[in-house]
Amino acid sequence: SQTIHQWPATLVQPVGSPLSLECTVEGTSNPNLYWYRQAAGRGLQLLFYSIGIDQISSEVPQNLSASRPQDRQFILSSKKLLLSDSGFYLCAWSPPQLRGRDEQFFGPGTRLTVL
Amino acid sequence: AQSVTQLGSHVSVSEGALVLLRCNYSSSVPPYLFWYVQYPNQGLQLLLKYTSAATLVKGINGFEAEFKKSETSFHLTKPSAHMSDAAEYFCAASILTDSWGKLQFGAGTQVVVTP
Repeated sequence: SQTIHQWPATLVQPVGSPLSLECTVEGTSNPNLYWYRQAAGRGLQLLFYSIGIDQISSEVPQNLSASRPQDRQFILSSKKLLLSDSGFYLCAWSPPQLRGRDEQFFGPGTRLTVL
Repeated sequence: AQSVTQLGSHVSVSEGALVLLRCNYSSSVPPYLFWYVQYPNQGLQLLLKYTSAATLVKGINGFEAEFKKSETSFHLTKPSAHMSDAAEYFCAASILTDSWGKLQFGAGTQVVVTP
């Protein structure tokens, strides 16, 4: 069966510090991968999505970036965090052969607080 | 552009009462539709999905939803609310014209269950 992991689970970082959040998927190959953010009191905002290694698209221009160094690994990074980067970050995957026709499976999330 | 609208950001129901959460989509082509549930500080979990088969879809935890093309709706119901149903619920629609498998999420509805 497939599983998705995210770490760390919680993170408190000062403004201006770097960020690296990691997401890995097990039990599937060539998944579509997604990064979402939930700010307090707001819905899900799609940040990045990827259909393969080195195939990443950004939805929202910001100081965040994403990389996919391996097929089932998706990393969210920032060189300098802003207060507005605080939120709950969710990674998700979906099967590659059913694009747009199947659900996305979500990880447990990372709670990021920028002080 | 496709959009998903959830009517009511907060819903309060009594334990044992009907739960009704409303979702409408705007799309020229009926999309695939999903309902997710999110408990505090957790990822999203799929409740049910509509993929152009039966219009009445049954999901987990006693929830069901009915797809109505004429009303462009996919409302979620549960006959009798339990305290454990307190959570946030998201409706989502697939963007079938998008080859990258993105989902369009509604803003979410927070459900509170009172004794």
